[in-house]
Amino acid sequence: DAGVTQSPTHLIKTRGQHVTLRCSPISGHKSVSWYQQVLGQGPQFIFQYYEKEERGRGNFPDRFSARQFPNYSSELNVNALLLGDSALYLCASSLEWSFDEQFFGPGTRLTVL
Amino acid sequence: QQQVKQSPQSLIVQKGGISIINCAYENTAFDYFPWYQQFPGKGPALLIAIRPDVSEKKEGRFTISFNKSAKQFSLHIMDSQPGDSATYFCAATYRDDKIIFGKGTRLHILP
Repeated sequence: DAGVTQSPTHLIKTRGQHVTLRCSPISGHKSVSWYQQVLGQGPQFIFQYYEKEERGRGNFPDRFSARQFPNYSSELNVNALLLGDSALYLCASSLEWSFDEQFFGPGTRLTVL
Repeated sequence: QQQVKQSPQSLIVQKGGISIINCAYENTAFDYFPWYQQFPGKGPALLIAIRPDVSEKKEGRFTISFNKSAKQFSLHIMDSQPGDSATYFCAATYRDDKIIFGKGTRLHILP
């Protein structure tokens, strides 16, 4: 079975632009969570979606938004990019609405110039 | 109050030795404490996890010790191997809608 997949792998944007990152969960998993991992730090929780509804949100500005589709895939959108948004963006999926038994994807490396 | 403090930042252990990584928290509402292992270029992978009603959990060479009164938990890697060289993160969750990660420990096992 395929694990969590994320696209694109790498992305370079300039300040002020908008970006969309995509995630496909493991087949059968209904929950998707998004994280930001700055180099040398632990992941920071951004959003959790379950059954297409937002179930949890971390301390990120409104420039960050996400949604989950009927097939349980998800998009993370970031508007008005700042240099500080440069990071590895990780997606994780789990069977149900829980952080138990989360499986992470390889991430999307975003560089903002 | 929402922080999880992890130490040490980096650790070097001889092959066959015991690697110990510690985490401390303040929020007593946390209800699930997982440890993740991350290799360069990969996403974190769940290693082992514990709930606060248990003081110890062992899976193979990996053990979590949990001290509820001290609000501390630790990861012990027995018979450490070069393949264990990675970055390890502790985390804590509450109400199934928030998760907080520690800053990570870079572990290097000398062959």
